[in-house]
Amino acid sequence: QSALTQPASVSGSPGQSITISCTGTSSDVGSYNLVSWYQQHPGKAPKLMIYEGSKRPSGVSNRFSGSKSGNTASLTISGLQAEDEADYYCCSYAGSKVVFGGGTKLTVL
Amino acid sequence: QVQLQESGPGLVKPSETLSLTCTVSGGSISSYYWSWIRQPPGKGLEWIGYIYYSGSTNYNPSLKSRVTISVDTSKNQFSLKLSSVTAADTAVYYCARVKGYYDYIWGSYRLDAFDIWGQGTMVTVSS
Repeated sequence: QSALTQPASVSGSPGQSITISCTGTSSDVGSYNLVSWYQQHPGKAPKLMIYEGSKRPSGVSNRFSGSKSGNTASLTISGLQAEDEADYYCCSYAGSKVVFGGGTKLTVL
Repeated sequence: QVQLQESGPGLVKPSETLSLTCTVSGGSISSYYWSWIRQPPGKGLEWIGYIYYSGSTNYNPSLKSRVTISVDTSKNQFSLKLSSVTAADTAVYYCARVKGYYDYIWGSYRLDAFDIWGQGTMVTVSS
């Protein structure tokens, strides 16, 4: 059982927007603005998409955005494209340790 | 640009020690924190631990008794040792560069994200 809770799967049609939630506790997501999100295609290494809750690394599309409310962080992908189909993981600093979510499989219909 | 490459045996016997090395190229290992993360087949990611180039470390409490991470700045490498392995340690092992900052008020390092990853190496624990 992962420390952070994500839905197992989400889906959307091309052009639509989807949101993936990541629920933690007051010891991790709720206490620090240090949530990151990773995209992982099959057989590939994870790729950083969002850090510090809402910042995008250079080169990441602005279709990806992050936010947080209380103990829940969210990743929103707008204007869905076929290439967005992948697994997505959230991650949070938790005071001397790091915890991941169980991952969400995004299917683009 | 900075690249990371994991290396080590792909097969380890139960009860033995898993040893992996991550080689950093295209940049210096100094002034950064570096981490190991693993992913069992078909499952999610698990943080193992991180090390500063100076040698200070922090480990996942669930693995702490079996994990050692070390650094060799002369070779631009850092390494993972996981002892007393079982089938549950079968996974793809990734090395990654850590992005974060030192909180001088609280006197601790705050890990923000893993910004550069190696391609991963599959390690199977089996006799």
